[in-house]
Amino acid sequence: EVQLVESGGDLVQPGGSLRLSCAASGFTVSTNYMSWVRQAPGKGLEWVSVLYNGGNTYYADSVKGRFTISRDNSKNTLYLQMNSLRAEDTAVYYCARIRFLQWTGDYWGQGTLVTVSS
Amino acid sequence: QSALTQPPSASGSPGQSVTISCTGSSSDVGGYNLVSWYQQHPGKAPKLMIYEVTKRPSGVPDRFSGSKSGNTASLTVSGLQAEDEADYYCSSYAGSNTLWVFGTGTKVTVL
Repeated sequence: EVQLVESGGDLVQPGGSLRLSCAASGFTVSTNYMSWVRQAPGKGLEWVSVLYNGGNTYYADSVKGRFTISRDNSKNTLYLQMNSLRAEDTAVYYCARIRFLQWTGDYWGQGTLVTVSS
Repeated sequence: QSALTQPPSASGSPGQSVTISCTGSSSDVGGYNLVSWYQQHPGKAPKLMIYEVTKRPSGVPDRFSGSKSGNTASLTVSGLQAEDEADYYCSSYAGSNTLWVFGTGTKVTVL
């Protein structure tokens, strides 16, 4: 059974850093496209970043230069390192497996809440 | 990276049909047959309902159907049931620069 479990969300001050984790089971992270998608309170979904199986990474303009997506193949885990956090980064962060030929998120985690506030 | 446009709300009585639109541009919805639809209940993760405009993943009822015309995609829920009450989001591949764009979301209410 495919499962994604996010962790690492917390309350952090503006300008601070946080690392989110997404532990996968039932499939291999390194052979799939993996993505982070966020949802601000009461708002819609917003794509954040994607990591291709070959290692290429891409980011939304809103986080480019501040966030870094990566993976640990030995732990079958996806990460999102978030630096220089802003109030507008406050959101539930979901990781998702991307079925790359169809460009669709077929499995999603339950999300982890990041709150940026002083 | 502008969001795709969806109506904020839609509603129907049990057994009726509701159709939700998702309008983008030739750079996303109109340029690729890579539109997906997700259902999200409050406090839950999005669930894939439709991919590649018209295809349903295993386990999704055939009451859910998708279509596309030009720069606008649509999701139709037929035979509305109480459990269909949720937020629905479209998404589309948007090319090698923007990659993935989501819709603004539509809250479906079953009257």
